[in-house]
Amino acid sequence: QKEVEQNSGPLSVPEGAIASLNCTYSDRVSQSFFWYRQYSGKSPELIMSIYSNGDKEDGRFTAQLNKASQYVSLLIRDSQPSDSATYLCAVKTSAGGTSYGKLTFGQGTILTVHP
Amino acid sequence: NAGVMQNPRHLVRRRGQEARLRCSPMKGHSHVYWYRQLPEEGLKFMVYLQKENIIDESGMPKERFSAEFPKEGPSILRIQQVVRGDSAAYFCASSEASGNTIYFGEGSWLTVV
Repeated sequence: QKEVEQNSGPLSVPEGAIASLNCTYSDRVSQSFFWYRQYSGKSPELIMSIYSNGDKEDGRFTAQLNKASQYVSLLIRDSQPSDSATYLCAVKTSAGGTSYGKLTFGQGTILTVHP
Repeated sequence: NAGVMQNPRHLVRRRGQEARLRCSPMKGHSHVYWYRQLPEEGLKFMVYLQKENIIDESGMPKERFSAEFPKEGPSILRIQQVVRGDSAAYFCASSEASGNTIYFGEGSWLTVV
């Protein structure tokens, strides 16, 4: 089982629709969860971070975390063609009681928003 | 990712040559991470460094790869005797001590011919 798994995609949605991206993780002690957006040939760009169970909203983006189910998702409302990119789920787990920025990434989900 | 500077952005090396990739962290950050993204694959952690110390190198290949973060100057990822399988995008990231927010540089694309 992969440590971080994302829905395989690619995902195609029409402009204005809600895009739903899902991610599961295997390590129950994981504490911090991130969504990055990566355009082709570019570096990952942090969109959202979430640390507690529940929803966190930022503009058109909502991250949802359920630690009991080991599940994190990203919803993009009113999807725009400019949202077309690869979305990476990343998990941070403390090692030996020390927290630092080592991230485990999922393989990414390609999102295409068509006009 | 403003502030994490990587160079070169693109590097072409022949098999057997050495590749050196440099990374200057964001101002105020003393923690540097290197990640590799192979074609059609996700980002994989390679190494975590603080000034003059390698903290976690669990993702580094055992041979030919090394990293350093000297007291002065940028962090260096060095790949000796490159092979075609080393062709990838190498991303540097930096954070403050807690590691709560990790910022990525623009990446260095290595092509081995």
